Amino acid sequence: AQTVTQSQPEMSVQEAETVTLSCTYDTSENNYYLFWYKQPPSRQMILVIRQEAYKQQNATENRFSVNFQKAAKSFSLKISDSQLGDTAMYFCAFMKTNAGNMLTFGGGTRLMVKP
Amino acid sequence: KAGVTQTPRYLIKTRGQQVTLSCSPISGHRSVSWYQQTPGQGLQFLFEYFSETQRNKGNFPGRFSGRQFSNSRSEMNVSTLELGDSALYLCASSLVQGIYEQYFGPGTRLTVT
Repeated sequence: AQTVTQSQPEMSVQEAETVTLSCTYDTSENNYYLFWYKQPPSRQMILVIRQEAYKQQNATENRFSVNFQKAAKSFSLKISDSQLGDTAMYFCAFMKTNAGNMLTFGGGTRLMVKP
Repeated sequence: KAGVTQTPRYLIKTRGQQVTLSCSPISGHRSVSWYQQTPGQGLQFLFEYFSETQRNKGNFPGRFSGRQFSNSRSEMNVSTLELGDSALYLCASSLVQGIYEQYFGPGTRLTVT
């Protein structure tokens, strides 16, 4: 079974600054995907970024980038130029390859962006 | 293209009753997954349906069941409701299984009294 751990229950950052959210996971699988999801106060879960484990290059989506360390089983999310709209719960999630759409989520990090 | 819709959005039930929640995936999506979100347990996978077949099931008691229809719409049923079943139930749809993005619905907030 896989486990995903987010050690920072809450974080805050000033608008326009950079913040990094941590995520570690435990698995015996070699092929898998990792995701960061955002859940704003409206509750609609949105995919922020995904990383295929077989890719060494870290994924980037505009202001969002990850630091994927496969050996350390670490998958952190960096948000650059933070905006007020980034205020949300952020969930790190794991999915095995070729095993269907079953996500294992971490406990989440509540991020507050302050003006 | 319309997003994932879930009905009802809010529901209040009494212990011992049963409830059925509905999820309509994005048009063309064939995979539907269900998750339970609670403050104590976080987000937990319930089950996944693909082409009317349950492909994965999470660690939940048999009171939780689901099904998928030929049009990919899915329902989940919880029988003999318990207070601990109070949660936000999220549905997600995907084009196919695999790494394709899962699109989440707004959820159904179930309160059991």
